[in-house]
Amino acid sequence: GEDVEQSLFLSVREGDSSVINCTYTDSSSTYLYWYKQEPGAGLQLLTYIFSNMDMKQDQRLTVLLNKKDKHLSLRIADTQTGDSAIYFCAESYSGYSTLTFGKGTMLLVSP
Amino acid sequence: DVKVTQSSRYLVKRTGEKVFLECVQDMDHENMFWYRQDPGLGLRLIYFSYDVKMKEKGDIPEGYSVSREKKERFSLILESASTNQTSMYLCASSYFRETGVETQYFGPGTRLLVL
Repeated sequence: GEDVEQSLFLSVREGDSSVINCTYTDSSSTYLYWYKQEPGAGLQLLTYIFSNMDMKQDQRLTVLLNKKDKHLSLRIADTQTGDSAIYFCAESYSGYSTLTFGKGTMLLVSP
Repeated sequence: DVKVTQSSRYLVKRTGEKVFLECVQDMDHENMFWYRQDPGLGLRLIYFSYDVKMKEKGDIPEGYSVSREKKERFSLILESASTNQTSMYLCASSYFRETGVETQYFGPGTRLLVL
């Protein structure tokens, strides 16, 4: 069955880079996503990558996809205290509107 | 901006009560979703709907039902609340895209405590 795995916690210092990792099991995933949940709020889409891409960059965010190993990562450059949140990896399939989410990685950024 | 609103941020109910959680979106989205979020378990899909009066079971539908009488509104119903339904409930909406990218817009959540 579908499964998306993430480490549960990451702690970094302000100004450092953060790397959040995710593995998935279903090779037929079409899109992979990163969602962010700030304290007391719902989730918001940060970025996504199509399964035939290796990398996508969007300002401070870099997404790397290793399709062979079914591994997705999100790198946040120059991490700020405002980046402290829970980050969810998710996958979807073309033609279907449901997402399968990982359990989320809590990122704590200390000054 | 898309706005998804949920009727309550916090709710306290007693075991056995019937509970209604309401969700409204203002962007004419076809798809709407109900999730529950629990520590260590992430988000789990309860029910979703592709259109008015349509509903599909998600991964954990037991103990829940839904209603979608109007396109903008999707209600989650706990017929007889139990303590194991204490959780954060998140509503989301999305629309069909030819590209296949699924962007879901989330409400702020309702934290439900069942005593």
